[in-house]
Amino acid sequence: NAGVMQNPRHLVRRRGQEARLRCSPMKGHSHVYWYRQLPEEGLKFMVYLQKENIIDESGMPKERFSAEFPKEGPSILRIQQVVRGDSAAYFCASSLAQANTGELFFGEGSRLTVL
Amino acid sequence: KQEVTQIPAALSVPEGENLVLNCSFTDSAIYNLQWFRQDPGKGLTSLLLIQSSQREQTSGRLNASLDKSSGRSTLYIAASQPGDSATYLCAVDSGLAGANNLFFGTGTRLTVIP
Repeated sequence: NAGVMQNPRHLVRRRGQEARLRCSPMKGHSHVYWYRQLPEEGLKFMVYLQKENIIDESGMPKERFSAEFPKEGPSILRIQQVVRGDSAAYFCASSLAQANTGELFFGEGSRLTVL
Repeated sequence: KQEVTQIPAALSVPEGENLVLNCSFTDSAIYNLQWFRQDPGKGLTSLLLIQSSQREQTSGRLNASLDKSSGRSTLYIAASQPGDSATYLCAVDSGLAGANNLFFGTGTRLTVIP
């Protein structure tokens, strides 16, 4: 049973380009969460999705960031017109159970560097 | 808003020592608390999950306690080994907006010296 898979593991973009980060949850998990870890800071919640639905996006910046979790395929975090401040590690997690009771399983992260 | 603090930020101990990592949180209305381990350049590995109704959990050489009323949790590591060297993160699930929304501390970076 493979764990949470994220790709790419490392991504380099120039300012103004788009970044797409993908996350495949653990088999059987339908709850996906995205977190961002800025250098020397703790992980911060961004968005929580279930299949085809955004449940909570209270941690997402209002502009340039979007997330989806289609019926088929991985969850995608999309960052348009990247800026240097977007450089961070982006972690995806999945859970089997409904919120507040289930253990989260994290992927190894996607590290975005904006030049 | 929930705030999670971990003390100390870094800790070095000789191999074989027992040690305690501390985590405090400001809002005691939590659903659960998780301790994670993060190795450099890697993801997070869940170590222990304590539900709000529980007071402690044990796994091997690890023991985590939870005192909701005082907003504290400790992670006890017995007989430390060099392989325990990593950053240990505490995360609190406050259940805001019905989501599994974890609030993380900034971690304690542990180095176990052979």
